[in-house]
Formats: sequence, structure tokens, C-alpha cells
Amino acid sequence: GESVGLHLPTLSVQEGDNSIINCAYSNSASDYFIWYKQESGKGPQFIIDIRSNMDKRQGQRVTVLLNKTVKHLSLQIAATQPGDSAVYFCADRFSGGYNKLIFGAGTRLAVHP
Amino acid sequence: GAVVSQHPSRVICKSGTSVKIECRSLDFQATTMFWYRQFPKQSLMLMATSNEGSKATYEQGVEKDKFLINHASLTLSTLTVTSAHPEDSSFYICSAREGQTNSPLHFGNGTRLTVT
Repeated sequence: GESVGLHLPTLSVQEGDNSIINCAYSNSASDYFIWYKQESGKGPQFIIDIRSNMDKRQGQRVTVLLNKTVKHLSLQIAATQPGDSAVYFCADRFSGGYNKLIFGAGTRLAVHP
Repeated sequence: GAVVSQHPSRVICKSGTSVKIECRSLDFQATTMFWYRQFPKQSLMLMATSNEGSKATYEQGVEKDKFLINHASLTLSTLTVTSAHPEDSSFYICSAREGQTNSPLHFGNGTRLTVT
């Protein structure tokens, strides 16, 4: 991810709809990508990860898609629920060194009943 | 699952004083921990990498003399904000990796620092 210090964009969806949250990363050498969910006043919570040798990975109600050609990552949430309301961050790992994670700008997901 | 504990969760201090924040891995050993800072409605910014038994590695633009990091054991890292000023008010979050470098980071619940 490439954090630019901007205010968070918001995605508003109706309960039960599918949500798609997008993220762009800049480092071609990144080999590992993670999506985190952050609720207000809490630390990030791991959702799903994907390695650079894959282009799709599915979890429970969530799917991550990786397009290395355009350096794009997306998180799909099926049947979005009110409890999914939070800020979602993608993060990519710089390979080498201490394998630090760099976070993207984040997207606020607002689920309406 | 792996748990990372941060203490305190909130702290208010006066300008010019120092504040220490603790980060503990409760059920695993972490040779490397990371410290992030998050301003309201913004993303997490990596401040430094904390290494057990050696000096921390700071990101560009982060003052190492102001943000002192000590990784005293495999389960504890501390961040001390020295001579705090109002602009240091932020949400500080630590994280630790369980096991190999391919494992995801586990995050603490953060410390809200307010400098008056």
C-alpha cells in the first residue's frame, strides 16, 4: 500500500449487498498482501492474505483478488452485514530486511440496513 | 490465536513530559515488533522496527531521539515519547509477528496519546 495521508474515502452499501474495496500498491517487489479491518478505537484485525504467486484467494464471505500487472488488490465481501462496518486497509510487505508492512490509505465501509 | 497487548490504552500527559507505551506478545515470542502511528481518519504510518537485543530501525523522518524504542525481551517492546508536544498526540499501535516472516502481523489495540 502507499499511504498518502488523505482522508478516508467511504463506500456505502445496503445490508445484504456485496462490497468491493479496492487498493493500489506501488512496489513491484512486494510479495505478500494482507487486508485488515479496523474498528473505531481498535487496532487492525487480520481478514485475509494472499501471496504474489496467486491471483485469488477465498475465505469465509471474503475474497481477495490480486492483479500484479496493474498493481491492484481488491477485497470482496459477500452479503455485507452491519458488523462489517469499519475501515479496511490493504498492506503489502516489502520483501527483505524485516519484511515490514506498509499500509494503504484505507476505505471506510458503511453498511446501511 | 496470537494476542498482542498494549498498555496503556489511553494516556493524557502535559507538554514536555515523557510517556512510555508497552507492547507485549502474550502467547508467542516476537523477535521483531513494529510501531505505527495513526492520525484521525488516516492510515497507519510505520515509525520503526523494534528488534530484540539490538537497536531499532527507524523510518525516514522519524526522530529516534524523540521516540525511544527498547525491545527488552522476546515478548516486550516499549515506545517512549520523550518531551511530548501537542503535535505528538496520536494513536500509537504496535504489532508483532508470530513465527516465520510469512506469518501475518498481529496488532495491539493501540494507545491514544493526548498531549495538553
